[in-house]
Amino acid sequence: KAGVTQTPRYLIKTRGQQVTLSCSPISGHRSVSWYQQTPGQGLQFLFEYFSETQRNKGNFPGRFSGRQFSNSRSEMNVSTLELGDSALYLCASSLGLAGLNEQFFGPGTRLTVL
Amino acid sequence: AQSVTQLDSQVPVFEEAPVELRCNYSSSVSVYLFWYVQYPNQGLQLLLKYLSGSTLVKGINGFEAEFNKSQTSFHLRKPSVHISDTAEYFCAVSDDTNAGKSTFGDGTTLTVKP
Repeated sequence: KAGVTQTPRYLIKTRGQQVTLSCSPISGHRSVSWYQQTPGQGLQFLFEYFSETQRNKGNFPGRFSGRQFSNSRSEMNVSTLELGDSALYLCASSLGLAGLNEQFFGPGTRLTVL
Repeated sequence: AQSVTQLDSQVPVFEEAPVELRCNYSSSVSVYLFWYVQYPNQGLQLLLKYLSGSTLVKGINGFEAEFNKSQTSFHLRKPSVHISDTAEYFCAVSDDTNAGKSTFGDGTTLTVKP
């Protein structure tokens, strides 16, 4: 089985722009979760989608949004980028709800905001 | 609310020595506990998990962890480490009230020296 894929792998944007990141889960997995990883804050939960519905949301501003399509692929959007949004964004998929199942992580998208 | 504390941010050890990476959690309900490893420039992968049953859990690469409910701990151990175990290790917790949301600790960097 192919693993979790994320595109693009690297992204450079300037403040004020918006960005869309994509995640393709492992075939058959219905849950997709997004995390922000930074050296200072560790791994922070953004949100989880299960069968196209947002199940949980972390403590991030409304500039961070996401969606999940019927084929379980997910996108994350960040609007009005700030310097502090520079981070590694990780996507993880699981068969069932993320909290009860093994999560399979993608390699991440490295976002740099200038 | 659930939370996770990884008590050591960095653990240096010599090759073939034993190691323990400490993790304490806070939750008011039944918990599910995970340890993930992140090798340099790679995504996270599951080492082991505790959902229920035996409190001693064995994982991949010779790692094991023990769930201690009275001390709210889930420490990770390996009797003899290798250079290739050098990585960042994350403890994560979820519970029945937030089954889709995993809270991760800040990570422990294990450095194995020759």
